[in-house]
Amino acid sequence: KNQVEQSPQSLIILEGKNCTLQCNYTVSPFSNLRWYKQDTGRGPVSLTIMTFSENTKSNGRYTATLDADTKQSSLHITASQLSDSASYICVVSAYPGGSYIPTFGRGTSLIVHP
Amino acid sequence: EPEVTQTPSHQVTQMGQEVILRCVPISNHLYFYWYRQILGQKVEFLVSFYNNEISEKSEIFDDQFSVERPDGSNFTLKIRSTKLEDSAMYFCASSETGPNSYNEQFFGPGTRLTVL
Repeated sequence: KNQVEQSPQSLIILEGKNCTLQCNYTVSPFSNLRWYKQDTGRGPVSLTIMTFSENTKSNGRYTATLDADTKQSSLHITASQLSDSASYICVVSAYPGGSYIPTFGRGTSLIVHP
Repeated sequence: EPEVTQTPSHQVTQMGQEVILRCVPISNHLYFYWYRQILGQKVEFLVSFYNNEISEKSEIFDDQFSVERPDGSNFTLKIRSTKLEDSAMYFCASSETGPNSYNEQFFGPGTRLTVL
């Protein structure tokens, strides 16, 4: 069964600090991995999209890495801001026979304190 | 900036009743999706829709669910006979191109469905 596990479940950091969120997956066949930011009560917003051939992808202060061999990804947030407080969701898509099947992780809840 | 909109923001219904959740995707997008998120749990894929047909659906999307694009702008999710476990936040999303590797999906703000 396809699964996406994220850690930590929650994280509290001080404004200005960096942090790294983890995502491990057992999705096959792998198509792509996405990181989303979800503010409370809102829909997810796309941060990065990576295929198996990509090792890293940046979007401003967000940098995602992917190791397709170990089936791990990380999202690094640099110089955190209060507005970074949100849930960060890892989504891995399988592409069996041309079908689109996304598997979502439970997310990491990040709180940035001033 | 174009965005996906959803109505209503909150829907309360009695068990067994039919509900229709409405979405207006971004105007030049061709692919549409519904997801749900039960309170405190992860987001789950329900269905994808393209060219007036269901492209893919999950195990959750059983016979009580249906989707429709009744006109050129709206995309709806109908739940025929709601159950208590249908209570969740329902998100609509759309994308310009198909669910290929670099397809970015834009999500709406969600409709919170409460079944009593």
